[in-house]
Amino acid sequence: AQKVTQAQTEISVVEKEDVTLDCVYETRDTTYYLFWYKQPPSGELVFLIRRNSFDEQNEISGRYSWNFQKSTSSFNFTITASQVVDSAVYFCALSEGDSSYKLIFGSGTRLLVRP
Amino acid sequence: AAGVIQSPRHLIKEKRETATLKCYPIPRHDTVYWYQQGPGQDPQFLISFYEKMQSDKGSIPDRFSAQQFSDYHSELNMSSLELGDSALYFCASSFSPPGTANYGYTFGSGTRLTVV
Repeated sequence: AQKVTQAQTEISVVEKEDVTLDCVYETRDTTYYLFWYKQPPSGELVFLIRRNSFDEQNEISGRYSWNFQKSTSSFNFTITASQVVDSAVYFCALSEGDSSYKLIFGSGTRLLVRP
Repeated sequence: AAGVIQSPRHLIKEKRETATLKCYPIPRHDTVYWYQQGPGQDPQFLISFYEKMQSDKGSIPDRFSAQQFSDYHSELNMSSLELGDSALYFCASSFSPPGTANYGYTFGSGTRLTVV
């Protein structure tokens, strides 16, 4: 069965620190998709990245970077030089190549960036 | 760019009442999903529609029903509301399987339902 684990419930850092949010997933499918979403206090779910199971290339987008390792079933997210505006709940999610592509979310990591 | 539109943004209902949430997907997206997010919880999948047909079903109570109409908008109907139904309800839409470059899995801003 598919499962996403975000072991870090809450992380608190001081502005400008780097922070890594961990995500470990379980799936029996060979084709699957991994996502990261940001949920600020206003409540909306903001799409950050999608990664296909056959593409292990790491990605960098500004201060954000993602490390996908199939060998350890992990898809970790790093924020470099964190800012107060990064404070939010971050969800990792998994979608398998089934008929609906529904998302299975992890429990989320609450990131607090202090000035 | 057009986004997923949900209405209403906020809804307050009493126990045992009925609520209807609406979702207008991104144009040309062929799949609509509904998720429920309780306080402090992660979003949980309820139900999805592909080309107006139900494609998958999650932990959706029998008191809830949903459909997708000919114009692709979707409605989630909730009857006999309970206090535990208080949550943020998200609609998302997508087009084509996630593996393609133009795949977009976009969430609406959500409807916050409060049952009192």
